[in-house]
Amino acid sequence: GENVEQHPSTLSVQEGDSAVIKCTYSDSASNYFPWYKQELGKRPQLIIDIRSNVGEKKDQRIAVTLNKTAKHFSLHITETQPEDSAVYFCAASRNQFYFGTGTSLTVIP
Amino acid sequence: KAGVTQTPRYLIKTRGQQVTLSCSPISGHRSVSWYQQTPGQGLQFLFEYFSETQRNKGNFPGRFSGRQFSNSRSEMNVSTLELGDSALYLCASSLGRASGSASSYEQYFGPGTRLTVT
Repeated sequence: GENVEQHPSTLSVQEGDSAVIKCTYSDSASNYFPWYKQELGKRPQLIIDIRSNVGEKKDQRIAVTLNKTAKHFSLHITETQPEDSAVYFCAASRNQFYFGTGTSLTVIP
Repeated sequence: KAGVTQTPRYLIKTRGQQVTLSCSPISGHRSVSWYQQTPGQGLQFLFEYFSETQRNKGNFPGRFSGRQFSNSRSEMNVSTLELGDSALYLCASSLGRASGSASSYEQYFGPGTRLTVT
């Protein structure tokens, strides 16, 4: 089956700096790659996603890049704010979803 | 549209008992997936139902089962509870890729049911 690895497991940045979270996947047939943000005690929320026919997608301060050849995709958050502090999960999907183990992001004011 | 809802939100059970959790998807969504979330294992896929049929299944023992009704609401049942079953159980709904459109891939989570087994 699919195996998704996510790095780093924890990340601290100063407010205003950028944050990058990286994921790799093993199944070349995976064709959909969402990112979720989960605040403490809340449900995971879809923040951005990318399909395998696209290399990059941007939504305001958040962007995702996909390298199908290398089988990795990354989440980029620019101009970080304290409210960006949360656990971020990547996932890869062909049929079912396989999730990474999460990155705890702390934005220091 | 109303979001995904799950009931109950919290549950305390004793080892050996069984439990049933419920999930109501977003209106129009035909796919419901169930996940177990624990601090050590992250989000683990249990199974997916689409139009009342189990479409995908994760690597969980047969004690974990589910079903989906004609209105797309889904239930998950865990029999003979073990201490290790203590977790947050999340369901997520989507259109289920039926149309092939970009939005049909998007999966939205419910608030979860916190199960504690003592």
